[in-house]
Amino acid sequence: AQKVTQAQTEISVVEKEDVTLDCVYETRDTTYYLFWYKQPPSGELVFLIRRNSFDEQNEISGRYSWNFQKSTSSFNFTITASQVVDSAVYFCALSNEDDKIIFGKGTRLHILP
Amino acid sequence: EAGVAQSPRYKIIEKRQSVAFWCNPISGHATLYWYQQILGQGPKLLIQFQNNGVVDDSQLPKDRFSAERLKGVDSTLKIQPAKLEDSAVYLCASSLGLRGGAKNIQYFGAGTRLSVL
Repeated sequence: AQKVTQAQTEISVVEKEDVTLDCVYETRDTTYYLFWYKQPPSGELVFLIRRNSFDEQNEISGRYSWNFQKSTSSFNFTITASQVVDSAVYFCALSNEDDKIIFGKGTRLHILP
Repeated sequence: EAGVAQSPRYKIIEKRQSVAFWCNPISGHATLYWYQQILGQGPKLLIQFQNNGVVDDSQLPKDRFSAERLKGVDSTLKIQPAKLEDSAVYLCASSLGLRGGAKNIQYFGAGTRLSVL
């Protein structure tokens, strides 16, 4: 069975601090995809990144970076120099080739001014 | 490019009443999904359509929930009769729908927040 665990329910940091959101997944598939979505107060889930299981390269996009490690089944997300606009709920998710996404419970991130 | 459109944004009903939600996916997206998101949890898939056919409705409570996508574009999700535990945000998402590959990214609408009193 597939499972996504986001152990951090809620995190608060002061603006400009770096923050890492943890994600651990479980799957028996050899081909799978990992995602991060952002859900601001408006409610819409905003796609941030997709990674397939064969690509362990870390990725950086502006202040965002992602660390994918198959050895520990983790796909962690780091925001550098956080800003108030980063406040949201962040979801890690996992899908197989049937395109069915399993979401974690989310981490609520508060960036304090 | 227009995103996934959903309406209404909010709905308040009493238990045992009926309610319907509407979704218009991104143009050209073959796959459409309905999710239920209960407060404090991640979204849970209710039903997945590929064009106008159902791919997966294993988690849809079929005694009270129904969904259709008659022309392979817009979709409607209905609850009849509603229960208190149906209070949640109902999210619609769409994707290009090509199996696996780079086209399985799902794009979400803003959702409909349902309160059942």
